[in-house]
Amino acid sequence: GAGVSQSPSNKVTEKGKDVELRCDPISGHTALYWYRQSLGQGLEFLIYFQGNSAPDKSGLPSDRFSAERTGGSVSTLTIQRTQQEDSAVYLCASSPTGLGVGYTFGSGTRLTVV
Amino acid sequence: GENVEQHPSTLSVQEGDSAVIKCTYSDSASNYFPWYKQELGKRPQLIIDIRSNVGEKKDQRIAVTLNKTAKHFSLHITETQPEDSAVYFCASISSGSARQLTFGSGTQLTVLP
Repeated sequence: GAGVSQSPSNKVTEKGKDVELRCDPISGHTALYWYRQSLGQGLEFLIYFQGNSAPDKSGLPSDRFSAERTGGSVSTLTIQRTQQEDSAVYLCASSPTGLGVGYTFGSGTRLTVV
Repeated sequence: GENVEQHPSTLSVQEGDSAVIKCTYSDSASNYFPWYKQELGKRPQLIIDIRSNVGEKKDQRIAVTLNKTAKHFSLHITETQPEDSAVYFCASISSGSARQLTFGSGTQLTVLP
């Protein structure tokens, strides 16, 4: 597609529920990244996918967080048993080469846990 | 891993004045330094970047300088306009094993008319 698409744009969920956030990267981009941005804060790295390599999960804050990328394209970030501190904007980015150059961000999913 | 520090956290300037935002990084192997602008409620967008083999790069009113010895880089915006008001993030990536950008904490720039 023309840009990085994320869905839903907004999600309100009850504490303890599971949520799935979707990212559709730019066609042909081999690298895909998930970041979290809490209100008024910077961008916290969560996970990185590059081609068929094993993902870099070093930024995931707990085992309630997981992500997968099917067919080297669409990615889903899953948060299980959501907590109020999970409330944030979850941003996805893709880049052509995985070398950090040419990051294009999606518009994000604003997650609110009530 | 890489650590990027960004200052100041907030910056207010009068329209037409210059604004300077500074970042330092910790990994001497870092070799790519982009700057992103994020308007309220919108996605971060790349505005300028610099590689480690270059000391300065300009694009109209925006410039970035890099001092590899001191491990710091700066964003300079001249002749600021109200539409420059946004949060600006610096970032870096290492040529080592980490393959994701590490971001600074952001600077809220306000240009006063």
